[in-house]
Amino acid sequence: GAGVSQSPSNKVTEKGKDVELRCDPISGHTALYWYRQSLGQGLEFLIYFQGNSAPDKSGLPSDRFSAERTGGSVSTLTIQRTQQEDSAVYLCASSQYGRQGGYGYTFGSGTRLTVV
Amino acid sequence: AQSVTQPDIHITVSEGASLELRCNYSYGATPYLFWYVQSPGQGLQLLLKYFSGDTLVQGIKGFEAEFKRSQSSFNLRKPSVHWSDAAEYFCAVGRSGGSYIPTFGRGTSLIVHP
Repeated sequence: GAGVSQSPSNKVTEKGKDVELRCDPISGHTALYWYRQSLGQGLEFLIYFQGNSAPDKSGLPSDRFSAERTGGSVSTLTIQRTQQEDSAVYLCASSQYGRQGGYGYTFGSGTRLTVV
Repeated sequence: AQSVTQPDIHITVSEGASLELRCNYSYGATPYLFWYVQSPGQGLQLLLKYFSGDTLVQGIKGFEAEFKRSQSSFNLRKPSVHWSDAAEYFCAVGRSGGSYIPTFGRGTSLIVHP
């Protein structure tokens, strides 16, 4: 697509439920990144994909968080047994080749997750 | 590990005034540096980036930034601010060695008075 698409744009869920957040990167972009943006905080790196592999998942805050990418394209971030502290905006970005990520990442508009 | 500090949480300027947003980084090698802007409800848009070469880089929307190695800084500037520049600005440093995953600062919120 023309840009990075994320869905849903907003998600309200009850504490303890599982949620899935979707990211559709720019066509041809092999690198994909997930970040979390909490109120008043900067962007917290979660995980990086190169193709379908995740060479760096050091930012995932707990084993309740997981992500996968299929076909070198769409990625899904899953949060199990959501907690209130998971409330944040989840941003996805893609770039063409991980090593060229320095040329700039294209971000989606994010998914605003609210856990009640 | 690299880190980025944006010392100003909020900056208020009058429309037409000049602007400088501060960014300091900590990184052991030559950094890749970025400035992004985020309008309300939007994703981040790349304003400019520095990799090497000329330390004064020009970006979109009339912004520029200067890399000063001696001060570990990469401050963002604009000579005359427009009301539409009101947004959140993020500085980021990319780490080398593979994926260049950027580390972001906490952001500076720019408020523009008419």
